Amino acid sequence: DQQVKQNSPSLSVQEGRISILNCDYTNSMFDYFLWYKKYPAEGPTFLISISSIKDKNEDGRFTVFLNKSAKHLSLHIVPSQPGDSAVYFCAASAKSGNTPLVFGKGTRLSVIA
Amino acid sequence: GAVVSQHPSRVICKSGTSVKIECRSLDFQATTMFWYRQFPKQSLMLMATSNEGSKATYEQGVEKDKFLINHASLTLSTLTVTSAHPEDSSFYICSARQTGIATNEKLFFGSGTQLSVL
Repeated sequence: DQQVKQNSPSLSVQEGRISILNCDYTNSMFDYFLWYKKYPAEGPTFLISISSIKDKNEDGRFTVFLNKSAKHLSLHIVPSQPGDSAVYFCAASAKSGNTPLVFGKGTRLSVIA
Repeated sequence: GAVVSQHPSRVICKSGTSVKIECRSLDFQATTMFWYRQFPKQSLMLMATSNEGSKATYEQGVEKDKFLINHASLTLSTLTVTSAHPEDSSFYICSARQTGIATNEKLFFGSGTQLSVL
């Protein structure tokens, strides 16, 4: 029973273009969402988060959009850079981020120069 | 940024042996640490929540007698896979939450341990 779903295992984007990574969730108790980035042989690192009271959060080239009614969120990276190539995990938690995270399977992003 | 050191990064063992994995927070204290397991092409699945000085809380379906967790100090948690079998082969990863900070934004991950049981 996958509560957090990342249906695209991989994505290829040209350098300079926009990368859009999608994530869907099923548990309506989730109210805090995070994106993590993972390079090979390293642990995931926190990238950006969004609370359910917002529908958008922006940090430099990274923007996360949340559509609560659709239980969907997306991460936009613009412009994409080769160094963005990594696996991106979507994660969710309840109680405003104070409970263990539930992760999606991840999406491998390849940014082609 | 905060660093979590996890060792070993890779281990190959014979069926029936026990394997210990260490997770250390190097420059911060972590009252709470989490242990995850990831099978190929699957999500990171939470196995247990480890709290310093108390018993770990295991997720449903995770055998506590098989996956022994010890969190004896504010900077170290260990996961011991006892009597390992080939089906225990997986990627194990720990994360540490900085003491006093409740949100998951201050959750730092180790680099993981790839366990292969022959």
